[in-house]
Amino acid sequence: AQSVTQLGSHVSVSEGALVLLRCNYSSSVPPYLFWYVQYPNQGLQLLLKYTSAATLVKGINGFEAEFKKSETSFHLTKPSAHMSDAAEYFCAVSLYDYKLSFGAGTTVTVRA
Amino acid sequence: NAGVTQTPKFRVLKTGQSMTLLCAQDMNHEYMYWYRQDPGMGLRLIHYSVGEGTTAKGEVPDGYNVSRLKKQNFLLGLESAAPSQTSVYFCASRGNSPLHFGNGTRLTVT
Repeated sequence: AQSVTQLGSHVSVSEGALVLLRCNYSSSVPPYLFWYVQYPNQGLQLLLKYTSAATLVKGINGFEAEFKKSETSFHLTKPSAHMSDAAEYFCAVSLYDYKLSFGAGTTVTVRA
Repeated sequence: NAGVTQTPKFRVLKTGQSMTLLCAQDMNHEYMYWYRQDPGMGLRLIHYSVGEGTTAKGEVPDGYNVSRLKKQNFLLGLESAAPSQTSVYFCASRGNSPLHFGNGTRLTVT
């Protein structure tokens, strides 16, 4: 069975600083990997998706993630944090692209 | 274009009561899902459906039942609510696209 582990339940960054959210996966075969964002009182929105086409995946709102098979990682980054990036972020994994398993989530706060 | 609509948005139940959560999507999606979200645990899959008339168990199906009589609707039922079912419930759907989520139903069981 596939699973993901998100390292750090809370991350606090200054506005303009790098955002780095860590995700490691376990899977017996190359998986599909996703990052989702959740704003307060809303459902989840897809930030980006890895499907083996390219190891560096660019998403919406300036986020990107790099798939590293040797490290079984799919960390999410954004070079410069904005106040509007404050939200909860979820990493997810799927073997067949129709049934996702989510990580526990990382809450990002942005300091002015 | 409404996307995925969940009703109700909030509900408080007493232990032992029953209720049905409704999910409706207007995107003609084949796949539909019910997740529950609890602090520190992310989203866990309760049940899902790969098409009209089909259902399948997810990670945490106990205490829940589902039905997909119409393609656009996916119902989640609690026959006898328990405090452990206090959670935020999310419905999602997809076709050849990423998951589309509803805005959630916040359920409290006292």
